[in-house]
Amino acid sequence: KQEVTQIPAALSVPEGENLVLNCSFTDSAIYNLQWFRQDPGKGLTSLLLIQSSQREQTSGRLNASLDKSSGRSTLYIAASQPGDSATYLCAVRRGSYNTDKLIFGTGTRLQVFP
Amino acid sequence: NAGVTQTPKFQVLKTGQSMTLQCAQDMNHNSMYWYRQDPGMGLRLIYYSASEGTTDKGEVPNGYNVSRLNKREFSLRLESAAPSQTSVYFCASTGRSFNSPLHFGNGTRLTVT
Repeated sequence: KQEVTQIPAALSVPEGENLVLNCSFTDSAIYNLQWFRQDPGKGLTSLLLIQSSQREQTSGRLNASLDKSSGRSTLYIAASQPGDSATYLCAVRRGSYNTDKLIFGTGTRLQVFP
Repeated sequence: NAGVTQTPKFQVLKTGQSMTLQCAQDMNHNSMYWYRQDPGMGLRLIYYSASEGTTDKGEVPNGYNVSRLNKREFSLRLESAAPSQTSVYFCASTGRSFNSPLHFGNGTRLTVT
């Protein structure tokens, strides 16, 4: 059974720091991995999606990497800002069939203070 | 761009009451999903619909029913609400390719007393 873990559960950093959020999964046979951002009282917003054949994806100050063999993904946030404060979740998809579902981690709550 | 729209935003029910949560997307997506989010348990899939006219159970379907009314709309019904169904409910949708990102609505916060 696929399990997705995110450590740490919470992180507080000063503005301007580069930081790394971690996501681990137990079954390396995945189809893709997504990183999401969730603001309080809101839904999830997709940040980056990495297909199983890819090593990384970049969007602005965000870079996500994927190492399937070790069951790990990292989300790198460069030059963090207070507006980056949110909960970040990762989710893995096992396959491309309709019956395959996303398995979510419980998230890392990030606070960036001025 | 509306994206995924959920109604209502908040709801309080008494045990045994029924209600329907509405979801609509305007992105011409084929697949739609209902999740619940509980503290410490992450998001869990209740039901999903791979295409118009089809629905399937997810991880935690007991106590819920769904209807895929058309391509745009996917509703979730609680026939007899229980306190264990107190949660935040999210609707989501994605395009034909499962390498398309998942788009979420803003959620419905449901309390059952």
